[in-house]
Amino acid sequence: AQSVSQHNHHVILSEAASLELGCNYSYGGTVNLFWYVQYPGQHLQLLLKYFSGDPLVKGIKGFEAEFIKSKFSFNLRKPSVQWSDTAEYFCAVNAYDYKLSFGAGTTVTVRA
Amino acid sequence: DTGVSQNPRHKITKRGQNVTFRCDPISEHNRLYWYRQTLGQGPEFLTYFQNEAQLEKSRLLSDRFSAERPKGSFSTLEIQRTEQGDSAMYLCASSLAAGGADQPQHFGDGTRLSIL
Repeated sequence: AQSVSQHNHHVILSEAASLELGCNYSYGGTVNLFWYVQYPGQHLQLLLKYFSGDPLVKGIKGFEAEFIKSKFSFNLRKPSVQWSDTAEYFCAVNAYDYKLSFGAGTTVTVRA
Repeated sequence: DTGVSQNPRHKITKRGQNVTFRCDPISEHNRLYWYRQTLGQGPEFLTYFQNEAQLEKSRLLSDRFSAERPKGSFSTLEIQRTEQGDSAMYLCASSLAAGGADQPQHFGDGTRLSIL
């Protein structure tokens, strides 16, 4: 079974600061990797995914993530955050069995 | 909006009562998933269907839990004899089966269950 670890529980930063959220997973086989975001009062939404090819993937709203296989990592980045990026961010992984394993989530608070 | 729809949004009940939640997936999605999320944690997988077939159940799904998807469209999740520990947000998601496990799952708003 897969497991996912997110390094930060809560991140607070100012607008225009850069954001990086760490995600590590444990699974020896081929995986698909996802970042989901949950804005206050809304449902989980897909930010981006990786399943093969270029390990640097770009998602919506200026987010990107890099898959580093040797480190079992899939860190999320955004060069310059906005107040509207305040949300909870979840890293998730699945393999051939479709079911997603999620990390505990990171709450990001962006101060105007 | 033709996203995943869940009803009710909130359910408050006394311990020992039975509850049933409904999920309507995106119409062309043939895979449907149930997850449970407690405070401070990410969603945890409970079960999933492809069309009307229930393909996998988590060990989290005790005998008091049952899920159905009778016609391969909407799904229900029933909890019998509810316990305090059942208090959580119950999330439903759907996806296309074609293309494999990298198909993204689309989530509903969830049903928040509170046990008194």
